[in-house]
Amino acid sequence: GQNIDQPTEMTATEGAIVQINCTYQTSGFNGLFWYQQHAGEAPTFLSYNVLDGLEEKGRFSSFLSRSKGYSYLLLKELQMKDSASYLCAGYNNAGNMLTFGGGTRLMVKP
Amino acid sequence: EAGVAQSPRYKIIEKRQSVAFWCNPISGHATLYWYQQILGQGPKLLIQFQNNGVVDDSQLPKDRFSAERLKGVDSTLKIQPAKLEDSAVYLCASSRQGPGNEQFFGPGTRLTVL
Repeated sequence: GQNIDQPTEMTATEGAIVQINCTYQTSGFNGLFWYQQHAGEAPTFLSYNVLDGLEEKGRFSSFLSRSKGYSYLLLKELQMKDSASYLCAGYNNAGNMLTFGGGTRLMVKP
Repeated sequence: EAGVAQSPRYKIIEKRQSVAFWCNPISGHATLYWYQQILGQGPKLLIQFQNNGVVDDSQLPKDRFSAERLKGVDSTLKIQPAKLEDSAVYLCASSRQGPGNEQFFGPGTRLTVL
């Protein structure tokens, strides 16, 4: 299996930029997902990286380094509605399985 | 397109009782997943179906948990008997067949075992 590590909590200010890091074991790895989960709701898809590099999607960008077992999610121009948990999940091609990290709870303050 | 449907949304039972959850995936999605999410943690995969066959159930506590997907569409997850530590949100997700496809999650069933 894969160990997925990410910080438990982060706090940032409205309008600022925040980077949420995620590290994983590379054994069996074949891609990395980021999901957003608001309190009491289901996770929703943000991004999927399978190749090295940065993928930008509006205010959100995701980066992957396969050799380093490292990814980050970058949120720009933070809004209060961005307060949520952000889940990093490693994808294992053998069985189309996701292994989730514990999630990073982001609190955006005015 | 309609999303993943789950019922019930909430369930409160006493320990040693039984409970069942139902999931209807997105139409055309061959792969269905059941996750357990304990408060403050990420989702943990319990079982994965490909059509009506089990792909992985290595983390399913088989002494008390069971799941089926008889016709390759709807699925049920059952706990019998429930323990206090089973209190969690049970999430169902579905995806198209093939590598790297996004998983779409249902709203979940919040189970409280007293």
